[in-house]
Amino acid sequence: EVQLVESGGGLVQPGGSLRLSCAASGVTFSSYEMNWVRQAPGKGLEWVSYIGSSGTTIYYADSVKGRFTISRDNTKNTLHLQMNSLRAEDTAVYYCAREVDLLGFAWFDPWGQGTLVTVSS
Amino acid sequence: DIQMTQSPSSLSASIGDRVTITCRASQNITSYLNWYQQKPGKAPKVLIFAASSLQSGVPSRFSGSGSGTDFTLTISSLQPEDFASYYCQQSYNTPGLYTFGQGTKLDIK
Repeated sequence: EVQLVESGGGLVQPGGSLRLSCAASGVTFSSYEMNWVRQAPGKGLEWVSYIGSSGTTIYYADSVKGRFTISRDNTKNTLHLQMNSLRAEDTAVYYCAREVDLLGFAWFDPWGQGTLVTVSS
Repeated sequence: DIQMTQSPSSLSASIGDRVTITCRASQNITSYLNWYQQKPGKAPKVLIFAASSLQSGVPSRFSGSGSGTDFTLTISSLQPEDFASYYCQQSYNTPGLYTFGQGTKLDIK
């Protein structure tokens, strides 16, 4: 069974930095594309970033471009999200999710349990 | 960017009701549309991918339809465990640049 477990969330001041991790098990991690998705308190889902299986193809939502960096370590089955210049509006639960691709169609399954990031002074 | 608009934003229904949630894309996304269910405090779970394909293990009372810009998620007979929030997601621009609808909260009438 595929399991994704996020860590690294917490309280940080505006302008600060935080590094999230997502540990994968039960899957050949290096074969899969991965994504980060966030959800502000009481709000909907917002896609944040994508990384290809080898780590060379990367995309970001405009809201985090230039501030966040996605990366992966396939030797350690781990996905990361480095978050710099954090703002109050980055406060959210951050989920990592495996991307499943079939015949050109893509969806997210499974998702981790999420880690809460709170940006506040 | 592709925008996704769900309706309604919230919905009250009773056990056994047939429920339909709509998702509209700002441009043609053919069948690149997924549906997720999220219960309070839990991670989302995929129900439907490629507009109408039922994810393994998901009850057959869930179904998806549509193509182009207009899509629907239908629950044929609501069960207690179905009260949750539902989100559509476009994957037309894969890889990356995915967009979710704003969500529909389904609660008990």
